[in-house]
Amino acid sequence: EVQLVESGGDMVRPGGSLRLSCAASGFTFSNAWVSWVRQAPGKGLEWVGRVKRETDGGTTDYAAPVKGRFTISRDDSKNTLYLQMNSLKIEDSAVYFCAKNKLYHFDNWGQGTLVTVSS
Amino acid sequence: DIVLTQSPGTLSLSPGDRATLSCRASQTINSNYLAWYQQKPGQAPRLLIYGASSRAAGIPDRFSGSGSGTDFTLTISRLEPEDFAVYYCQQFDTSSPLYIFGQGTKLEIK
Repeated sequence: EVQLVESGGDMVRPGGSLRLSCAASGFTFSNAWVSWVRQAPGKGLEWVGRVKRETDGGTTDYAAPVKGRFTISRDDSKNTLYLQMNSLKIEDSAVYFCAKNKLYHFDNWGQGTLVTVSS
Repeated sequence: DIVLTQSPGTLSLSPGDRATLSCRASQTINSNYLAWYQQKPGQAPRLLIYGASSRAAGIPDRFSGSGSGTDFTLTISRLEPEDFAVYYCQQFDTSSPLYIFGQGTKLEIK
């Protein structure tokens, strides 16, 4: 069974930093492209960014609102995906989901971790 | 950027009814790139349909997807109590943002 378990969500001040983790199991993590998707309270879904598998270059892509502030990385030896978030803004407050990419969609999702940016 | 507009915003129906949810793209998209998700309160989204019309593993056959070009539809043939949730369409684009979601349709019990 595919499992994705996020952690690291917290309350942080504007301008602060936070690192989220997503522990994967039940599939060959090193073969997967994986993304972060967020959902602000009471709002819809917003794709944050994606990392390809290492054999496809391990490159990353980001949505415009987070580009230059957020960094996605992966540790295939630990089956873990990371999201380093710097220069956090109030509008970054959301539940952050990790999701396994399959072709052009997301076939498995974690339960999410809550990030609150507030002064 | 391509915009996905879902309608209606809220759909009020009864168990046993047929539900028809719409997702309209601001420009023609490849049907292979269109997916639908269900999300219940406090839960992660669940993939229902990909490639506009292919059901994901374990999805009941009362869920079906159709459409092409700019207009796509998710149909639930006979609503079960567990189907009342928010539904999102999503498309892949080759330019950023790579993945775009519609704003969602809330399916509520009448």
